[in-house]
Amino acid sequence: AQSVSQHNHHVILSEAASLELGCNYSYGGTVNLFWYVQYPGQHLQLLLKYFSGDPLVKGIKGFEAEFIKSKFSFNLRKPSVQWSDTAEYFCAVNGPGFQKLVFGTGTRLLVSP
Amino acid sequence: ETGVTQTPRHLVMGMTNKKSLKCEQHLGHNAMYWYKQSAKKPLELMFVYNFKEQTENNSVPSRFSPECPNSSHLFLHLHTLQPEDSALYLCASSHYQEIGNEQFFGPGTRLTVL
Repeated sequence: AQSVSQHNHHVILSEAASLELGCNYSYGGTVNLFWYVQYPGQHLQLLLKYFSGDPLVKGIKGFEAEFIKSKFSFNLRKPSVQWSDTAEYFCAVNGPGFQKLVFGTGTRLLVSP
Repeated sequence: ETGVTQTPRHLVMGMTNKKSLKCEQHLGHNAMYWYKQSAKKPLELMFVYNFKEQTENNSVPSRFSPECPNSSHLFLHLHTLQPEDSALYLCASSHYQEIGNEQFFGPGTRLTVL
């Protein structure tokens, strides 16, 4: 069965620090990859996605992620975080049939002003 | 707003109660999903409906009963729940044939079982 690992459960950063959140998945076939964000009290929303093509994808609010197929990874990055980036971040993968989304456990990011 | 609405937003129920959660999508999608979000656990897919037909039941106990009368509405009927069923229940929708099948989520129903 597919699985998604997010190694950092809690991350605390100061404003302007750089961010990298790790995501590894287990499935070896063709996959679609997603990062979702959940701000406090709000619904899950899509940050960015990778389906094919350029493995470096850019999303909203200055976030980007790089798909490295050989490492089964899809790490999320932002060069300079803001207080408003405080949220929980979820990596997700869908594989065979492309319907069943498998989520990681999430990373809770706290950015201090 | 994502175009997916859920009601109620909060629900407290006893173990002997029967209640229903409602989800509605205004995106013209043809697939709908129920997820359970518990503390310190990954989001768990519960049910999938494509074109109103249930295509996935992820070993969910029978005390949860989904209903999809049309491609815009999805219900989750609850009866004789347990305290461990307390969680945030999320609904999502997607256009199944689109590349990548991106899912759009509602705000969730926070369920507390006493």
